[in-house]
Amino acid sequence: SQQGEEDPQALSIQEGENATMNCSYKTSINNLQWYRQNSGRGLVHLILIRSNEREKHSGRLRVTLDTSKKSSSLLITASRAADTASYFCATVPYSSASKIIFGSGTRLSIRP
Amino acid sequence: GAVVSQHPSWVICKSGTSVKIECRSLDFQATTMFWYRQFPKQSLMLMATSNEGSKATYEQGVEKDKFLINHASLTLSTLTVTSAHPEDSSFYICSAREQALYNEQFFGPGTRLTVL
Repeated sequence: SQQGEEDPQALSIQEGENATMNCSYKTSINNLQWYRQNSGRGLVHLILIRSNEREKHSGRLRVTLDTSKKSSSLLITASRAADTASYFCATVPYSSASKIIFGSGTRLSIRP
Repeated sequence: GAVVSQHPSWVICKSGTSVKIECRSLDFQATTMFWYRQFPKQSLMLMATSNEGSKATYEQGVEKDKFLINHASLTLSTLTVTSAHPEDSSFYICSAREQALYNEQFFGPGTRLTVL
């Protein structure tokens, strides 16, 4: 399968709470990226973390990477209604650095 | 930032017709472009990788005669869905990469194809 796995598949939380999404992948990677997609729209690049990095922050986003477990997590703090979207992790394989392989995605809903 | 456009944003066609989707990099030269398809509530599946001036490389299971890809210039790639059938209905997204920014792909807004 091309894809990695993300969990949960769907997440609904109250506005203001933190949202955590997890991603697992199969092969050694060059880097891992997180994207957001609003319904029926294109992708928005959120953050990139390289294979030699363990944690990265960008505004309300915090990404961790554990290459020994082949997993990553995306934390969105103090969620807002506008954060409602699908979130995808995507890996750039070490063996084929020209490709991006997308995970199955998490549908996040923020309740006002 | 780098902008990628797609045209059309949506298209409805009859079964058996061919549909062409354009992907343009507006403010940079894209040495490589990628085509993905996405079914409702599913992830993006890479269909093919195209490098300017050469033939596209298709992923396993993607019919190259069905999905014709042309990357004739550094700012334009086209995907033609030939003899479209209802099962080809999907969201098609392209992305473009500039050689100098090897790790980054910039995504287009997508094209919704509906085949009746």
